[in-house]
Order: sequence, then C-alpha cells, then structure tokens
Amino acid sequence: QVQLKESGPGLVQPSQTLSLTCTVSGLSLTSNNVHWVRQPPGKGLEWVGVMWSGGTTDFNSALKSRLSISRDISESQVFLKMNSLQTEDTAIYFCTRNSYGGLLDYWGQGVMVTVSS
Amino acid sequence: DIQMTQSPPSLSASLGDKVTITCQASQNINTYIGWYQQKPGKAPRQVIRYTSTLVSGTPSRFSGSGSGRDYSFSISNVESEDIATYYCLQYNDLSWTFGGGTKLELK
Repeated sequence: QVQLKESGPGLVQPSQTLSLTCTVSGLSLTSNNVHWVRQPPGKGLEWVGVMWSGGTTDFNSALKSRLSISRDISESQVFLKMNSLQTEDTAIYFCTRNSYGGLLDYWGQGVMVTVSS
Repeated sequence: DIQMTQSPPSLSASLGDKVTITCQASQNINTYIGWYQQKPGKAPRQVIRYTSTLVSGTPSRFSGSGSGRDYSFSISNVESEDIATYYCLQYNDLSWTFGGGTKLELK
C-alpha cells in the first residue's frame, strides 16, 4: 500500500540548513507528485513546494530563495533542503502524495522540526 | 502566489446545524480548489476536490460550490465527528496555497 515517511533532525540551530527526507513506498516517483506542507505549532497549514513526477519543482514564493527539493528515484526518496533557518521555520513538516488533480490523498505522519540554539 | 482568504477563523455550532466556510482567492482559480479536514495531532484529510467533488469516504452532508474567485464549503447536520479545523487549498497555479483555516467547535 502507499506510504510516505518523513525523517530528519528534530532540532536545528538558527542560520543552519534543514535537510528532510520523504521515503515513499507503494508508488513510483515518476508517476506521482510529492508535495511538502508545513504547520507551525498551533497554526495553519502552509504549502512549501513540490517535486513533480517529471522531475521539475515549484516552491512557495516566500520560501523559494532558501529552498531546494530533489529526489532519488532508485531509493524512492524526495529531499527537502532549506537554508538560513529561523525560529519561524519551527513546524511539523509533512510530505504528501498527489496523483492527479488537486488530490492529496496520502500523507506522512509528519516530522517536528524545532529551530533553536 | 495566489492568496486565499478564508473565513471565519472559527465557528461554533450545535449538533445538527448547517455551517458554511468561505474562501476568496486573489484571482480566478477556475474551480481548482479542495477542502481539507484536520483533527488535532493528525495529518489533514481531503474531503472535497475540484470545488464540489466528494473524495471517497466523505459523507454526503459535506458539500462545496463556487466559481471564479469565490468558494464555499458547507456541512449540513453537523455531527460530533466533524469537529475539526478545515482548510481550503487552491491548485490553479503551479504554486499552491492554503487558506488560513476555520476551527469548528461545538456550541
């Protein structure tokens, strides 16, 4: 069955770079889009960016200058890197599958990232 | 990026009530909007896509409508399991955007 799982460090220092991995199973990255969504504690959802099935990416314009998304098809992994982290980047980071239209039907459990010294 | 203005931020309802949430986009999004339900400690779950299409497993008391810039989401006959926070999400652009969310509480 389709599964997504985020992994990465729980704590990152301010100004450092965050690296997260979304490992998927039960789906092909070449026919599914993988999005990243984050949620600061007690706040709303924020769309972060996407790795489209064709290998291109798009980003939230507010984060674009600090963000990159890549993938390793053979390992079924999508990577998110965000630099120059600030406390406002503290959030739960989710990866989610989009197979067609605007349907985000499978989500990872999320990984909590705290930016603090 | 397209901005999504969602209202109200919170809503208090009694069981059996009908509630309505609205989202206004900063430009025409051509009905490319979905609605998500999120319960505390859980990932969001999509309930509606493409303005008004119920996602598999969504009860028929949920509905959506709209066009252009203005969209709405309703729950008729609110049940206790509907207590959650709801978000709209536009996907007209290559850059997607969530609304700010509406917390539905029991009166």
